[in-house]
Amino acid sequence: GEQVEQLPSILRVQEGSSASINCTYENSASNYFPWYKQEPGENPKLIIDIRSNMERKQTQGLIVLLDKKAKRFSLHITDTQPGDSAMYFCAASGASGSWQLIFGSGTQLTVMP
Amino acid sequence: AQTIHQWPVAEIKAVGSPLSLGCTIKGKSSPNLYWYWQATGGTLQQLFYSITVGQVESVVQLNLSASRPKDDQFILSTEKLLLSHSGFYLCAWSLVGAEQYFGPGTRLTVL
Repeated sequence: GEQVEQLPSILRVQEGSSASINCTYENSASNYFPWYKQEPGENPKLIIDIRSNMERKQTQGLIVLLDKKAKRFSLHITDTQPGDSAMYFCAASGASGSWQLIFGSGTQLTVMP
Repeated sequence: AQTIHQWPVAEIKAVGSPLSLGCTIKGKSSPNLYWYWQATGGTLQQLFYSITVGQVESVVQLNLSASRPKDDQFILSTEKLLLSHSGFYLCAWSLVGAEQYFGPGTRLTVL
């Protein structure tokens, strides 16, 4: 089946620095790319998303970039804080439509004070 | 404002026993509804989706079934639990072509 590859699986950064997570997808028809943040024992929360008609989107210290040619998208967290420590998942819509989301394997981000 | 509720919060069940998990969404008319499964420390796997009452599509076969008896209700069930069914079950909703939002989840332990 379709896959979304997410790297790195573990990421440790110093407080105040930037963190970057990269994802690649297989289906050129994918047109929707959300990012979720999940804290231990909690449900995933949508933090930012981008659609295929955009190359960049920014909100509250988060930047998402989309390179459709390379089938690659990335999340950049600027000025990281300890509260940013969590599991992050990328996802891409599947061939069957925008209802279908295929998730990456997740990145465990730790922001060290 | 919309609210999504899942029940039970947690469940411990024996292998071979039946299971029923529920999800209700209030404040949205005719949402798309989804069931996801997450193994401990794992990624999110979409199991089922439903666009309308009475209609459910299976995404992956895990010896589970789903039903949508009402516009605001989605049920996940099985007659016989396996050890591999343990994990975190999440219900999600969206409007057509829009973002998916997750419910609080049900943690299932099968012994």
